Amino acid sequence: GQQVMQIPQYQHVQEGEDFTTYCNSSTTLSNIQWYKQRPGGHPVFLIQLVKSGEVKKQKRLTFQFGEAKKNSSLHITATQTTDVGTYFCAGNNAGGTSYGKRTFGQGNILT
Amino acid sequence: NAGVTQTPKFQVLKTGQSMTLQCAQDMNHEYMSWYRQDPGMGLRLIHYSVGAGITDQGEVPNGYNVSRSTTEDFPLRLLSAAPSQTSVYFCASSYEPRSYEQYFGPGTRLTVT
Repeated sequence: GQQVMQIPQYQHVQEGEDFTTYCNSSTTLSNIQWYKQRPGGHPVFLIQLVKSGEVKKQKRLTFQFGEAKKNSSLHITATQTTDVGTYFCAGNNAGGTSYGKRTFGQGNILT
Repeated sequence: NAGVTQTPKFQVLKTGQSMTLQCAQDMNHEYMSWYRQDPGMGLRLIHYSVGAGITDQGEVPNGYNVSRSTTEDFPLRLLSAAPSQTSVYFCASSYEPRSYEQYFGPGTRLTVT
């Protein structure tokens, strides 16, 4: 079945440093979504990428979708304490056989 | 709008007991899903529904049942609780399964002793 892997699983940075997390899928994705979960909270949607090679920015956050639509990255510039949390990627298989199944990566915990 | 609501927030069960986790949304979303979250495992899909009367299994469906009689409600039933079902359970909904963001409920923390 489809697998979505996030690396690394844990990252600790000093405030002001940059942070990057990566997401890799075993299959081609129709789109990829990123979510953030604060400690003790629930996942909150950040962004969705659909097109091959797409890059989107939200203030200090930059999201990229790979050319082959099998990987993605999230980069945070000059981290702040408000960035602490777990970042998840989630993807839907590009094939039509698993309609409705969105697979989440295991998350990257940023402290 | 209340968004996605879940009850209860916390629950302790003994092995073998059954219970239903409630989930409701008031956004008229067609797609609803249940996830469990365990340390280091991310969010794993248990069951999902693409509309009233339609449900399907996710990655880890064993030990759980669902039904979707209305657009608003999507309860998750634990048939015979086991310690391996100790987890945080999240319900989520979206307008459509593939192309729209999912809204998550606040979660239910379940402990099975």
